[in-house]
Amino acid sequence: DQQVKQNSPSLSVQEGRISILNCDYTNSMFDYFLWYKKYPAEGPTFLISISSIKDKNEDGRFTVFLNKSAKHLSLHIVPSQPGDSAVYFCAAGSGAGSYQLTFGKGTKLSVIP
Amino acid sequence: DAMVIQNPRYQVTQFGKPVTLSCSQTLNHNVMYWYQQKSSQAPKLLFHYYDKDFNNEADTPDNFQSRRPNTSFCFLDIRSPGLGDAAMYLCATSSTSGEVLDEQFFGPGTRLTVL
Repeated sequence: DQQVKQNSPSLSVQEGRISILNCDYTNSMFDYFLWYKKYPAEGPTFLISISSIKDKNEDGRFTVFLNKSAKHLSLHIVPSQPGDSAVYFCAAGSGAGSYQLTFGKGTKLSVIP
Repeated sequence: DAMVIQNPRYQVTQFGKPVTLSCSQTLNHNVMYWYQQKSSQAPKLLFHYYDKDFNNEADTPDNFQSRRPNTSFCFLDIRSPGLGDAAMYLCATSSTSGEVLDEQFFGPGTRLTVL
Protein backbone atom coordinates (compact mmCIF):
# COMPACT_ATOMS: atom_id res chain seq x y z
CA ASP A 1 0.00 0.00 0.00
CA GLN A 2 1.62 3.19 -1.19
CA GLN A 3 1.71 5.84 1.49
CA VAL A 4 3.21 8.44 -0.85
CA LYS A 5 1.75 8.68 -4.33
CA GLN A 6 2.92 10.54 -7.37
CA ASN A 7 0.18 9.81 -9.84
CA SER A 8 1.80 11.38 -12.89
CA PRO A 9 4.70 9.27 -14.16
CA SER A 10 5.72 12.01 -16.57
CA LEU A 11 5.21 15.66 -17.35
CA SER A 12 6.30 17.81 -20.30
CA VAL A 13 6.55 21.58 -20.05
CA GLN A 14 7.79 24.30 -22.34
CA GLU A 15 10.89 26.19 -21.27
CA GLY A 16 9.97 29.33 -19.36
CA ARG A 17 6.57 28.01 -18.24
CA ILE A 18 5.59 26.71 -14.83
CA SER A 19 6.08 23.06 -13.90
CA ILE A 20 3.76 21.68 -11.23
CA LEU A 21 4.53 18.28 -9.75
CA ASN A 22 2.01 16.75 -7.40
CA CYS A 23 2.24 14.34 -4.50
CA ASP A 24 -0.41 12.83 -2.23
CA TYR A 25 0.09 10.99 1.02
CA THR A 26 -2.11 8.84 3.21
CA ASN A 27 -0.26 8.63 6.52
CA SER A 28 -1.41 11.43 8.82
CA MET A 29 1.72 10.89 10.95
CA PHE A 30 3.90 12.37 8.24
CA ASP A 31 5.03 15.82 9.26
CA TYR A 32 8.04 16.48 7.08
CA PHE A 33 8.16 16.42 3.31
CA LEU A 34 11.03 16.61 0.88
CA TRP A 35 11.52 16.76 -2.86
CA TYR A 36 14.47 15.08 -4.49
CA LYS A 37 15.72 15.44 -8.03
CA LYS A 38 17.45 12.61 -9.86
CA TYR A 39 19.44 12.74 -13.07
CA PRO A 40 20.24 9.51 -14.95
CA ALA A 41 23.21 7.59 -13.50
CA GLU A 42 23.22 9.75 -10.37
CA GLY A 43 21.70 9.38 -6.94
CA PRO A 44 18.78 11.57 -5.86
CA THR A 45 19.78 15.02 -4.63
CA PHE A 46 17.83 17.04 -2.12
CA LEU A 47 15.91 19.95 -3.58
CA ILE A 48 13.56 21.49 -1.03
CA SER A 49 11.63 20.51 2.07
CA ILE A 50 8.67 21.65 4.14
CA SER A 51 7.52 20.82 7.63
CA SER A 52 3.88 20.47 8.54
CA ILE A 53 3.87 23.73 10.50
CA LYS A 54 4.18 25.60 7.22
CA ASP A 55 2.07 25.65 4.08
CA LYS A 56 4.69 27.09 1.76
CA ASN A 57 8.44 27.09 1.37
CA GLU A 58 10.31 28.89 -1.35
CA ASP A 59 13.86 28.58 -2.62
CA GLY A 60 14.65 30.51 -5.77
CA ARG A 61 12.67 29.06 -8.65
CA PHE A 62 11.33 26.23 -6.50
CA THR A 63 8.30 26.48 -4.22
CA VAL A 64 6.66 23.67 -2.31
CA PHE A 65 3.06 23.99 -1.14
CA LEU A 66 1.53 21.80 1.53
CA ASN A 67 -2.21 21.27 2.03
CA LYS A 68 -2.46 19.16 5.18
CA SER A 69 -6.22 18.80 5.12
CA ALA A 70 -6.04 17.34 1.62
CA LYS A 71 -2.81 15.44 2.37
CA HIS A 72 -1.38 16.94 -0.77
CA LEU A 73 1.80 18.74 -1.66
CA SER A 74 3.07 20.22 -4.87
CA LEU A 75 6.35 21.47 -6.24
CA HIS A 76 6.29 24.51 -8.50
CA ILE A 77 9.21 25.36 -10.73
CA VAL A 78 9.09 28.82 -12.28
CA PRO A 79 10.44 29.43 -14.84
CA SER A 80 11.23 25.92 -16.01
CA GLN A 81 14.60 25.39 -17.63
CA PRO A 82 15.91 22.50 -19.77
CA GLY A 83 18.35 21.63 -16.97
CA ASP A 84 15.36 20.90 -14.75
CA SER A 85 14.63 17.81 -16.83
CA ALA A 86 14.96 14.94 -14.36
CA VAL A 87 12.94 12.56 -12.23
CA TYR A 88 11.46 14.23 -9.15
CA PHE A 89 10.71 12.17 -6.06
CA CYS A 90 8.43 13.23 -3.27
CA ALA A 91 9.37 11.85 0.15
CA ALA A 92 7.71 12.03 3.54
CA GLY A 93 8.73 11.29 7.08
CA SER A 94 7.63 11.50 10.65
CA GLY A 95 10.01 13.53 12.74
CA ALA A 96 9.03 12.00 16.02
CA GLY A 97 12.10 9.88 16.69
CA SER A 98 12.16 8.41 13.22
CA TYR A 99 14.81 8.94 10.61
CA GLN A 100 13.08 7.11 7.80
CA LEU A 101 11.61 8.49 4.61
CA THR A 102 8.91 7.01 2.43
CA PHE A 103 9.31 7.82 -1.24
CA GLY A 104 6.90 8.14 -4.13
CA LYS A 105 7.58 6.50 -7.48
CA GLY A 106 8.73 9.73 -9.06
CA THR A 107 7.62 11.98 -11.90
CA LYS A 108 9.81 12.41 -14.94
CA LEU A 109 9.86 16.06 -15.95
CA SER A 110 10.89 17.01 -19.46
CA VAL A 111 11.40 20.71 -20.15
CA ILE A 112 11.25 21.36 -23.87
CA PRO A 113 13.43 24.20 -25.19
CA ASP B 1 33.99 17.63 -1.49
CA ALA B 2 32.17 15.71 1.19
CA MET B 3 30.20 12.96 -0.40
CA VAL B 4 28.69 9.49 -0.43
CA ILE B 5 30.60 6.99 -2.56
CA GLN B 6 29.33 3.64 -3.76
CA ASN B 7 31.42 0.89 -5.25
CA PRO B 8 31.12 -0.65 -7.67
CA ARG B 9 28.76 1.40 -9.84
CA TYR B 10 27.78 -1.70 -11.76
CA GLN B 11 27.86 -5.24 -10.42
CA VAL B 12 27.06 -8.43 -12.26
CA THR B 13 26.63 -11.64 -10.32
CA GLN B 14 25.31 -15.09 -10.94
CA PHE B 15 22.13 -16.50 -9.50
CA GLY B 16 22.89 -17.67 -5.97
CA LYS B 17 26.42 -16.23 -5.82
CA PRO B 18 26.95 -13.95 -2.81
CA VAL B 19 27.68 -10.34 -3.55
CA THR B 20 28.72 -7.36 -1.43
CA LEU B 21 28.06 -3.74 -2.24
CA SER B 22 29.94 -1.01 -0.43
CA CYS B 23 29.24 2.53 0.62
CA SER B 24 31.51 5.09 2.20
CA GLN B 25 30.90 8.65 3.31
CA THR B 26 33.03 11.65 4.17
CA LEU B 27 30.14 13.59 5.71
CA ASN B 28 30.63 12.08 9.17
CA HIS B 29 26.88 11.43 9.37
CA ASN B 30 25.68 9.09 12.06
CA VAL B 31 22.81 7.53 10.10
CA MET B 32 23.32 5.36 7.01
CA TYR B 33 20.62 3.78 4.88
CA TRP B 34 20.33 1.16 2.15
CA TYR B 35 17.53 1.43 -0.39
CA GLN B 36 16.51 -0.87 -3.21
CA GLN B 37 15.01 0.76 -6.28
CA LYS B 38 13.53 -1.22 -9.16
CA SER B 39 12.65 0.33 -12.47
CA SER B 40 9.87 2.95 -12.24
CA GLN B 41 9.42 2.20 -8.54
CA ALA B 42 9.98 4.22 -5.42
CA PRO B 43 13.22 3.67 -3.54
CA LYS B 44 12.41 1.09 -0.86
CA LEU B 45 14.21 1.24 2.46
CA LEU B 46 15.87 -2.07 3.34
CA PHE B 47 17.51 -1.07 6.63
CA HIS B 48 19.36 1.72 8.33
CA TYR B 49 22.01 2.20 10.98
CA TYR B 50 21.65 4.83 13.64
CA ASP B 51 25.25 4.93 14.80
CA LYS B 52 25.88 1.23 15.42
CA ASP B 53 22.26 0.34 15.99
CA PHE B 54 20.90 -1.74 13.14
CA ASN B 55 17.26 -1.24 12.14
CA ASN B 56 15.76 -3.74 9.74
CA GLU B 57 12.53 -3.03 7.85
CA ALA B 58 9.92 -5.67 8.58
CA ASP B 59 9.61 -6.78 4.96
CA THR B 60 13.32 -6.89 4.13
CA PRO B 61 14.17 -10.49 3.17
CA ASP B 62 16.67 -12.40 5.30
CA ASN B 63 18.76 -12.75 2.14
CA PHE B 64 19.86 -9.14 2.70
CA GLN B 65 22.34 -8.37 5.45
CA SER B 66 24.33 -5.30 6.35
CA ARG B 67 27.49 -4.40 8.22
CA ARG B 68 28.76 -1.08 9.46
CA PRO B 69 32.30 -1.55 10.77
CA ASN B 70 32.80 2.17 11.42
CA THR B 71 31.13 5.54 10.89
CA SER B 72 32.39 5.89 7.35
CA PHE B 73 31.61 2.52 5.82
CA CYS B 74 28.51 0.41 5.34
CA PHE B 75 28.14 -2.81 3.37
CA LEU B 76 25.17 -4.58 1.85
CA ASP B 77 25.53 -8.34 1.57
CA ILE B 78 23.16 -10.35 -0.58
CA ARG B 79 23.70 -13.94 0.43
CA SER B 80 21.98 -15.71 -2.46
CA PRO B 81 20.90 -13.27 -5.14
CA GLY B 82 17.82 -14.15 -7.11
CA LEU B 83 16.66 -12.70 -10.40
CA GLY B 84 14.21 -10.54 -8.47
CA ASP B 85 17.08 -8.84 -6.65
CA ALA B 86 18.29 -7.12 -9.79
CA ALA B 87 17.88 -3.44 -9.01
CA MET B 88 19.62 -0.19 -8.24
CA TYR B 89 20.90 -0.12 -4.67
CA LEU B 90 21.20 3.32 -3.14
CA CYS B 91 23.15 4.22 -0.05
CA ALA B 92 22.24 7.39 1.83
CA THR B 93 23.35 9.21 4.95
CA SER B 94 21.86 11.78 7.26
CA SER B 95 22.78 13.60 10.42
CA THR B 96 20.72 13.90 13.55
CA SER B 97 22.76 16.76 14.90
CA GLY B 98 20.35 19.28 13.46
CA GLU B 99 16.63 18.77 12.98
CA VAL B 100 15.27 15.43 14.07
CA LEU B 101 14.58 14.47 10.50
CA ASP B 102 17.21 15.90 8.23
CA GLU B 103 17.70 15.55 4.53
CA GLN B 104 19.35 12.40 3.29
CA PHE B 105 22.39 12.52 1.04
CA PHE B 106 22.52 9.81 -1.59
CA GLY B 107 25.33 8.05 -3.36
CA PRO B 108 25.15 7.41 -7.11
CA GLY B 109 23.93 3.86 -6.60
CA THR B 110 25.12 0.42 -7.63
CA ARG B 111 23.17 -1.27 -10.39
CA LEU B 112 23.06 -5.00 -9.72
CA THR B 113 22.46 -7.47 -12.53
CA VAL B 114 21.77 -11.12 -11.71
CA LEU B 115 22.40 -13.65 -14.46
